[in-house]
Amino acid sequence: GQSLEQPSEVTAVEGAIVQINCTYQTSGFYGLSWYQQHDGGAPTFLSYNGLDGLEETGRFSSFLSRSDSYGYLLLQELQMKDSASYFCAVFRGSTLGRLYFGRGTQLTVWP
Amino acid sequence: DVKVTQSSRYLVKRTGEKVFLECVQDMDHENMFWYRQDPGLGLRLIYFSYDVKMKEKGDIPEGYSVSREKKERFSLILESASTNQTSMYLCASSSTSGGASETQYFGPGTRLLVL
Repeated sequence: GQSLEQPSEVTAVEGAIVQINCTYQTSGFYGLSWYQQHDGGAPTFLSYNGLDGLEETGRFSSFLSRSDSYGYLLLQELQMKDSASYFCAVFRGSTLGRLYFGRGTQLTVWP
Repeated sequence: DVKVTQSSRYLVKRTGEKVFLECVQDMDHENMFWYRQDPGLGLRLIYFSYDVKMKEKGDIPEGYSVSREKKERFSLILESASTNQTSMYLCASSSTSGGASETQYFGPGTRLLVL
């Protein structure tokens, strides 16, 4: 089976940097995705790491280490609108496109 | 612009009723998914489909069935609704072309209350 572990809650203040970690155990690992979900909204895709290293997209970056079965999402220059749930998800490389989601991390950004 | 729509945002049903949740995507995606989301449990996969008339069980298929008669439409059916099926239901789709199958696009969700 698969298991993903991520913290349930993280808090930070505006302008700060926060890192949300995700550790996983799975066979046939292919890549790690991150999704953002605001309260009452749909999850939206943020990033995907298929290779080790850092992927940067504006204020958000995502990192993957296959050897450590570990990844993280880094959010810089936090804004109030970043308050949301963040989910990591494992992709096992099938074209069927199935993702295995973690339980999510609730990020609260304070002014 | 990518779009996944779901037939209802809110739905109230009685125990024992048959419930249909509809999902439509306009991106010509091959893969479609139904999840339920409950506080603290994340997104759990109920069923998915990789082609018309094809379906695969996810992690929690009991009490549910699905139908995919057309590529753009994926229906979730609660055969006999029970109170423990009160939840948020999310539909998603993804493409198999261009190596993009790791990216899923979600609909707005249907919040179902079973009384």
